[in-house]
Amino acid sequence: DAGVTQSPTHLIKTRGQQVTLRCSPKSGHDTVSWYQQALGQGPQFIFQYYEEEERQRGNFPDRFSGHQFPNYSSELNVNALLLGDSALYLCASSLSGVYGYTFGSGTRLTVV
Amino acid sequence: AQSVTQLDSHVSVSEGTPVLLRCNYSSSYSPSLFWYVQHPNKGLQLLLKYTSAATLVKGINGFEAEFKKSETSFHLTKPSAHMSDAAEYFCVVIINSNTGKLIFGQGTTLQVKP
Repeated sequence: DAGVTQSPTHLIKTRGQQVTLRCSPKSGHDTVSWYQQALGQGPQFIFQYYEEEERQRGNFPDRFSGHQFPNYSSELNVNALLLGDSALYLCASSLSGVYGYTFGSGTRLTVV
Repeated sequence: AQSVTQLDSHVSVSEGTPVLLRCNYSSSYSPSLFWYVQHPNKGLQLLLKYTSAATLVKGINGFEAEFKKSETSFHLTKPSAHMSDAAEYFCVVIINSNTGKLIFGQGTTLQVKP
């Protein structure tokens, strides 16, 4: 049974560019949440998608956007990248957004 | 507002000795609490969870935690540390809502010395 799959694993981008990160949830899960983990910090909630809609959002600017597809997979898009966006981006899936979260290994984004 | 505070940023123990990682929480609601572990370059793995059932929760790999409402604490313990326990540990609180937003502590780095 595949867990949560994230791609790519590593990414290097230049300031001002745009990036798209991808997440495939665990089989049977319908909810995807995204977290940003800066170096030496705990993960911070970005937003959650359920039934293809953003259900809740953390304290992140509009440069951060997302999408959920009918097969429950999800994308995280970040526009106008800043150096401060460098972080590990984690995807977590669950069933109906309640407990039982499974995390992926993350995408390490470096902005130069 | 819900939050968690991990009282130690770094804990160092010798292999075979007990582990204690401390966490205090703040919540206006009846909280659900979790401990996650993160090994280098790996994702987060759930160790255990408290969801208003038994206050002493047993998790994987010999870890357990006790929910103490009077002290607003949820400390993680293990009787005997193994080298493989060296990792980053996060205490997490969730609001009892339908959205399930996780709020993480800053993390505690556990070092296990031979």
